[in-house]
Amino acid sequence: AQSVTQLDSHVSVSEGTPVLLRCNYSSSYSPSLFWYVQHPNKGLQLLLKYTSAATLVKGINGFEAEFKKSETSFHLTKPSAHMSDAAEYFCVVSEMEIPGNQFYFGTGTSLTVIP
Amino acid sequence: EAQVTQNPRYLITVTGKKLTVTCSQNMNHEYMSWYRQDPGLGLRQIYYSMNVEVTDKGDVPEGYKVSRKEKRNFPLILESPSPNQTSLYFCASSSLVGYSYGYTFGSGTRLTVV
Repeated sequence: AQSVTQLDSHVSVSEGTPVLLRCNYSSSYSPSLFWYVQHPNKGLQLLLKYTSAATLVKGINGFEAEFKKSETSFHLTKPSAHMSDAAEYFCVVSEMEIPGNQFYFGTGTSLTVIP
Repeated sequence: EAQVTQNPRYLITVTGKKLTVTCSQNMNHEYMSWYRQDPGLGLRQIYYSMNVEVTDKGDVPEGYKVSRKEKRNFPLILESPSPNQTSLYFCASSSLVGYSYGYTFGSGTRLTVV
């Protein structure tokens, strides 16, 4: 079975400090993994994706994520938080080999950035 | 510009009054899907479509209908809305060939049923 677990529903950091949003997944196949961001009253925007190439993936706005197969993790990081990073973040796994429910969403992590 | 367009953005309606939320994409994507987003529950899939005339239920299909008569359009129909369908709805599309590119999402429709 496929699933995504975001280990923290809320994360709070001070501006200028590192951000870590944790995501674990389960997959029977070689997955593609994504992080999406949703700012208040906005739609979902793709931050970055892993598709079996380099395990360290760089995305927009200084975010990175590392695919660790042995740990089944895909944690999102940023060296220095900015006020504009305050948003909801979703980890998503995709398995094209499974027809139908193509993308599985985590329940989201709300990031608060304290000035 | 490649995009998924949903309409309306905001809708307030009364219980039992049929409504349709439209979704259109201009990327020639085969796969389209509807999600609802509720606090603490994340995004849950309502229906999806692998191609024209091919639709199937997601995790929470009760109370909803969809159709896929054309590749670009995937409307969500609520025949008899109820207050528990008050939610934020997203349409999304993806290429089945290039599925690794992920979803493109619409801007969302905030529905309130009173």
